[in-house]
Amino acid sequence: EPEVTQTPSHQVTQMGQEVILRCVPISNHLYFYWYRQILGQKVEFLVSFYNNEISEKSEIFDDQFSVERPDGSNFTLKIRSTKLEDSAMYFCASDTKGLASYNEQFFGPGTRLTVL
Amino acid sequence: GEDVEQSLFLSVREGDSSVINCTYTDSSSTYLYWYKQEPGAGLQLLTYIFSNMDMKQDQRLTVLLNKKDKHLSLRIADTQTGDSAIYFCAESKRGSQGNLIFGKGTKLSVKP
Repeated sequence: EPEVTQTPSHQVTQMGQEVILRCVPISNHLYFYWYRQILGQKVEFLVSFYNNEISEKSEIFDDQFSVERPDGSNFTLKIRSTKLEDSAMYFCASDTKGLASYNEQFFGPGTRLTVL
Repeated sequence: GEDVEQSLFLSVREGDSSVINCTYTDSSSTYLYWYKQEPGAGLQLLTYIFSNMDMKQDQRLTVLLNKKDKHLSLRIADTQTGDSAIYFCAESKRGSQGNLIFGKGTKLSVKP
């Protein structure tokens, strides 16, 4: 069964460093998403991406964040200068139709980011 | 603003029914979802309900939606130890391109 994969499973970084979280969405999916979950908090939407551009983003997704689909299979989330409060589990998701109608978003297992 | 609330913990005995409750605030929600997260895994869609429905049944799962009270519940019949996981309620908004709004999740523990 096809699945969304994410690497690494755990990333530890120093405050101020850049990190890139990687995701491989399901191959025929067209819409891609990043969410994050700070420990003990809700899963929060960060950004959606379609047709090589951002289609929606939340207030959390500020200038420190960027997304890219560099090669037709990977979907990356970059944090330019990490802060302690960026420590969270980051989930990638993909689907075929966006949320204009019912559609299942398939989630990856997540990358746990720890900023020291 | 939009908010989704759930109780954090639920403990049941194997074979009993589990009922996980959720309240939401956005009346424009089009679909409401239940996701399951097992340890070390991503969120897996269990079931969903369109906002103009009251009930949906899918094998051991029953979803009830009270749109007036903005209350959603998930009933798991004959709960098994394999059902132990965190269950997330989520809603999507009309016209949104991906903004699923999640609750904090309810941790279901099933005791043998």
